[in-house]
Amino acid sequence: EVQLVESGGGLVQPGRSLRLSCEASGFTFGDFDMHWVRQVPGKGLVWVAHISWNSFTISYADFARGRFTISRDNAQNSLYLQMNSLRPEDTAFYYCAKAEYDRRGYYFDWWGQGTLVTVSS
Amino acid sequence: SYVLTQSPSVSVAPGQTANISCGGHNFGGESVYWYQQRPGQAPILVVFNDNGRPSGIPERFSGSSSDNTATLTITGVEAGDEADYYCQVWDARRDQGVFGGGTKLTVL
Repeated sequence: EVQLVESGGGLVQPGRSLRLSCEASGFTFGDFDMHWVRQVPGKGLVWVAHISWNSFTISYADFARGRFTISRDNAQNSLYLQMNSLRPEDTAFYYCAKAEYDRRGYYFDWWGQGTLVTVSS
Repeated sequence: SYVLTQSPSVSVAPGQTANISCGGHNFGGESVYWYQQRPGQAPILVVFNDNGRPSGIPERFSGSSSDNTATLTITGVEAGDEADYYCQVWDARRDQGVFGGGTKLTVL
């Protein structure tokens, strides 16, 4: 069965950095694009970033571009999100999600349980 | 950029039909995907490619879309269906995902 396990969340001061990890199992990780999605507690889902299976295509939400970096290590079955210059409004649960693509777009067929990032002094 | 609008809440009695709408966008030619998120849990995919269902999702869940509105329909609503539901599209021009604000389904 597909499993996605996020880690690396925690309490961090504004302006500092944090690196999230997502360990994948139960599928051939290197064959699939991956995404990060976040959710402020009690609020809605917000897409964060996308990386293609071979890391050739990367895209970000406007709020993430320039501060966040998505990467992956297919040999380690792992996805990462490096978050710099963190702001209180970045406080959220961060989910990694396995992507499928139909001819019209990406969707997320498996999700991790999320890791909570709290940005506060 | 796309903005998807969902009603904040929908309430239905058990056994009835819930229609959860997603609007504010011309869906012609695009796929709409739907997710269920129960309290304290991660989202799960319930409808893809407008009206496909992943294995394990009951036939009670179906999707449809017209020009400006996509709808998730849940027939024979059960207590376990109580959750937040989100629509999603992929903005291919900007290579970005877009979610609706979510609809809380309450089973009376």
